[in-house]
Amino acid sequence: GENVEQHPSTLSVQEGDSAVIKCTYSDSASNYFPWYKQELGKRPQLIIDIRSNVGEKKDQRIAVTLNKTAKHFSLHITETQPEDSAVYFCAARDNAGNMLTFGGGTRLMVKP
Amino acid sequence: EPEVTQTPSHQVTQMGQEVILRCVPISNHLYFYWYRQILGQKVEFLVSFYNNEISEKSEIFDDQFSVERPDGSNFTLKIRSTKLEDSAMYFCASSRTSGGAEQFFGPGTRLTVL
Repeated sequence: GENVEQHPSTLSVQEGDSAVIKCTYSDSASNYFPWYKQELGKRPQLIIDIRSNVGEKKDQRIAVTLNKTAKHFSLHITETQPEDSAVYFCAARDNAGNMLTFGGGTRLMVKP
Repeated sequence: EPEVTQTPSHQVTQMGQEVILRCVPISNHLYFYWYRQILGQKVEFLVSFYNNEISEKSEIFDDQFSVERPDGSNFTLKIRSTKLEDSAMYFCASSRTSGGAEQFFGPGTRLTVL
């Protein structure tokens, strides 16, 4: 089955700096890669996703890149703000089903 | 904006007891899911449900677990005989379609087994 690894597990940045979180996946059949943000005690919320037919997607300060050959994808947050502080999870889904396989999460702390 | 809702927010039970966790998916969604998250660990898929039947399940979803859509709005997860290791946050999710459709998560039910 699919295995998703996520790094780093914690990330501390100064407000205004960029943050990058990286994930690798094992199943080459995976074709959908969402990123979820989970604030303390709250539900995971989708912030951006990418499908395997594109290499990059951007939404304001957030971007995701996908390298299918290397089987890794990354989340980039620019101009970080304190409200970006949360746990971020990457996930992968293969074409055969609907289950999402999640990475271990990255706790991002943005210091004002 | 419509949201997935879950009840209760926190459930405490004794080992060996049965629990039912309830979810109300978003009304026009057709695909429903249960995930769990043991404290400090990753979110893990349990089961997906479509057209009144299980479409996919993980190794975690053994005979102690069952799901049901008893009416047009509720989606339930039953654990027949709870174990200590079932203690976790259980998230329900729903999506409008399959494939790369966004899965919307509920707020979770924290299950504590004593």
